[in-house]
Amino acid sequence: DGGITQSPKYLFRKEGQNVTLSCEQNLNHDAMYWYRQDPGQGLRLIYYSQIVNDFQKGDIAEGYSVSREKKESFPLTVTSAQKNPTAFYLCASSGRYYEQYFGPGTRLTVT
Amino acid sequence: AQSVTQLDSQVPVFEEAPVELRCNYSSSVSVYLFWYVQYPNQGLQLLLKYLSGSTLVESINGFEAEFNKSQTSFHLRKPSVHISDTAEYFCAVLDAGNMLTFGGGTRLMVKP
Repeated sequence: DGGITQSPKYLFRKEGQNVTLSCEQNLNHDAMYWYRQDPGQGLRLIYYSQIVNDFQKGDIAEGYSVSREKKESFPLTVTSAQKNPTAFYLCASSGRYYEQYFGPGTRLTVT
Repeated sequence: AQSVTQLDSQVPVFEEAPVELRCNYSSSVSVYLFWYVQYPNQGLQLLLKYLSGSTLVESINGFEAEFNKSQTSFHLRKPSVHISDTAEYFCAVLDAGNMLTFGGGTRLMVKP
């Protein structure tokens, strides 16, 4: 089955630690995205990549970093510089027909 | 920059009643419009989309949305809701750079 996987589903970290969230897709999509979702709010774009080895900042990139070394993978690192990292993180990809397909999400809790 | 407004943050409705979730967008260019549904602690699933052609688009589970260019709206409707339709619904517009802008979401609460 084609789709997007994110792991782990739940992640707990201590303040001051960097943490990397995994996102893998087997849809052969060129573009991939990371969003952050907070309770009662919509989605905010963190980073996106339209092609391997290239990525751009979204609306709230501060405190986050990404890499795109393979077409299938787009990991997100939440650094200690991110002031409010506790949130639900969603990865998505899109192909030639514009709609984005989402993974199941990772809920990160930092204490 | 484009923006999407979902006018209702929560919509309570009884089972088997009709429902309309409102979405308005601002755009000066041709638009591609989407509705996504999110069940608790899950990712978003594409419900339906408008790219071109007929202004009325339908999903497989009975939802429909109508693109109204003059009113810059893309409201989502269902004639008879089920308990299983309880979820959060997001309207989104695709801009010229193929980036999605999302509305703030509408929580549909179907009561027995």
